[in-house]
Amino acid sequence: GEDVEQSLFLSVREGDSSVINCTYTDSSSTYLYWYKQEPGAGLQLLTYIFSNMDMKQDQRLTVLLNKKDKHLSLRIADTQTGDSAIYFCADLHGSGNTGKLIFGQGTTLQVKP
Amino acid sequence: NAGVTQTPKFQVLKTGQSMTLQCAQDMNHEYMSWYRQDPGMGLRLIHYSVGAGITDQGEVPNGYNVSRSTTEDFPLRLLSAAPSQTSVYFCASSSQRGGTDTQYFGPGTRLTVL
Repeated sequence: GEDVEQSLFLSVREGDSSVINCTYTDSSSTYLYWYKQEPGAGLQLLTYIFSNMDMKQDQRLTVLLNKKDKHLSLRIADTQTGDSAIYFCADLHGSGNTGKLIFGQGTTLQVKP
Repeated sequence: NAGVTQTPKFQVLKTGQSMTLQCAQDMNHEYMSWYRQDPGMGLRLIHYSVGAGITDQGEVPNGYNVSRSTTEDFPLRLLSAAPSQTSVYFCASSSQRGGTDTQYFGPGTRLTVL
């Protein structure tokens, strides 16, 4: 089946940039997503990118997509302690009502003051 | 709007007991789904529904049943709980299954099966 992989942990200092990476195997991916999960809470959609785009910027967030290498990254500029959370990459395999979201294992981002 | 609500927040069961996890949304979303979250494994889709009266299996459906009698509610039933079902369960809803539409997640139910 289709697979999404992420590294499990990233530690940065407050004010630095964070880059969270994700690889996927789906050749028919239509959308790719980044979700954020704070402790004890559900997942919150941060941003998404359509598969025919290379880059998307949204305030402090930059998403880069390398479709050839099936590599997705999320860059958080000026990382704050409030950014500490688990970040999930997800791939929409298929489309419409037959599409299925496939999640990576999640990357725990630790921001040190 | 309350968004997606789940009850209970915590539950402890003994092996073999049955229970129903409740999920409700007040956004008139057609699409609802149940995921389980286990350490180091991300979220895995259990069952989903594309509208009232329609349900289908996800990636890990065994041991779980669902029904969708109304647009608002999507309960998940464990018929005979097993320790392997110890997990955090999330319900989600959206107006469509994918694309640019946001999936809204509930706060989760933490289930322990002894």
